[in-house]
Amino acid sequence: GQSLEQPSEVTAVEGAIVQINCTYQTSGFYGLSWYQQHDGGAPTFLSYNGLDGLEETGRFSSFLSRSDSYGYLLLQELQMKDSASYFCAASSVADKLIFGTGTRLQVFP
Amino acid sequence: ETGVTQTPRHLVMGMTNKKSLKCEQHLGHNAMYWYKQSAKKPLELMFVYNFKEQTENNSVPSRFSPECPNSSHLFLHLHTLQPEDSALYLCASSQEGRTGGVGAFFGQGTRLTVV
Repeated sequence: GQSLEQPSEVTAVEGAIVQINCTYQTSGFYGLSWYQQHDGGAPTFLSYNGLDGLEETGRFSSFLSRSDSYGYLLLQELQMKDSASYFCAASSVADKLIFGTGTRLQVFP
Repeated sequence: ETGVTQTPRHLVMGMTNKKSLKCEQHLGHNAMYWYKQSAKKPLELMFVYNFKEQTENNSVPSRFSPECPNSSHLFLHLHTLQPEDSALYLCASSQEGRTGGVGAFFGQGTRLTVV
């Protein structure tokens, strides 16, 4: 089957750096993307890795290692508004977008 | 506002009712998706439409019936649902089925409660 595993919850304080890991098992893997979802809101796209390595977008960076079937989202200079659920998602050649289990991030003052 | 609009936002229906969820995207995308999000579970892919053709049916029970009349509109017809079908149903769209690089855009979802 296809699955993406993430830690269920991560906590950190404002200004800190946090890393959210994602390990995946999917067929026809194309790339890994990350989404943020606030309570009561829709998931919003954050970043995408089609190639191995690090992609940086402002305070957020995402990393992919295809050989390890592993990726992570790095959030720097954490702010209270970053408290949300974060999902990794695997794209496949069959136009599927399969989501991970989700990580709830709580940022404390 | 993401350019993907879902109606209604909330729906309460009995197990014998028939209702439909509607999704409309104003982004010019060619692919549209239905996802189910239950409490404490990951988003579950239900259906994928690419250029109005269904390319994926992820083992969804027949009480859920999708319809995609054109690339901008997607419906999910519901009938004889079960209480365990209560969830947030999310619609998403992306360009030409490339759900990676440019990302998928989600609607705000329909919160469905089956009583």
